[in-house]
Amino acid sequence: DAGVIQSPRHEVTEMGQEVTLRCKPISGHDYLFWYRQTMMRGLELLIYFNNNVPIDDSGMPEDRFSAKMPNASFSTLKIQPSEPRDSAVYFCASIYAGQGSYNEQFFGPGTRLTVL
Amino acid sequence: GQNIDQPTEMTATEGAIVQINCTYQTSGFNGLFWYQQHAGEAPTFLSYNVLDGLEEKGRFSSFLSRSKGYSYLLLKELQMKDSASYLCAVRGNTDKLIFGTGTRLQVFP
Repeated sequence: DAGVIQSPRHEVTEMGQEVTLRCKPISGHDYLFWYRQTMMRGLELLIYFNNNVPIDDSGMPEDRFSAKMPNASFSTLKIQPSEPRDSAVYFCASIYAGQGSYNEQFFGPGTRLTVL
Repeated sequence: GQNIDQPTEMTATEGAIVQINCTYQTSGFNGLFWYQQHAGEAPTFLSYNVLDGLEEKGRFSSFLSRSKGYSYLLLKELQMKDSASYLCAVRGNTDKLIFGTGTRLQVFP
């Protein structure tokens, strides 16, 4: 299995531009999580999906952030317009919540976003 | 509110033993996780505790006391490659994990 796949790995953009981050979860996993990690705040949950349905988006900072999961194998996190304070590493993670599972989260390699 | 506390930094010597503590206050409890994160990489799963006691996995062990809201990760026979951040995370009443800010461990020769 290729694991969780994220793209791009690095993104540098200018303030005001739209940014789209992409994630492909592990096949068969039924939950998908989007996190943001900074030195100051650590790893913060932004939103998570169960069977492609958003369950909790209380961590999404503001209306500039939106996330979709059109099918079981793809999700996007969009920031429009981007601001310098959005600079962080964004991780996607997925789990299989079946019986006997630890519900261990498998993380993708992350997207390092820099907004100038 | 929900809170996870762990030390910011620790140092240790190669071959030694180190214990990283984590205390938590959460709405409900359905398991505590430890993750390892090397600089510039993604977190990777180390251990899971849902019942009180010690879980051992090779050089790493994790302990849980639910009544005290306390866990520790014990690393034995430290190696240079163990230099990383160690994240404590708790699953409360929902499916999401609440992460601590992590403990950065530096192992010196």
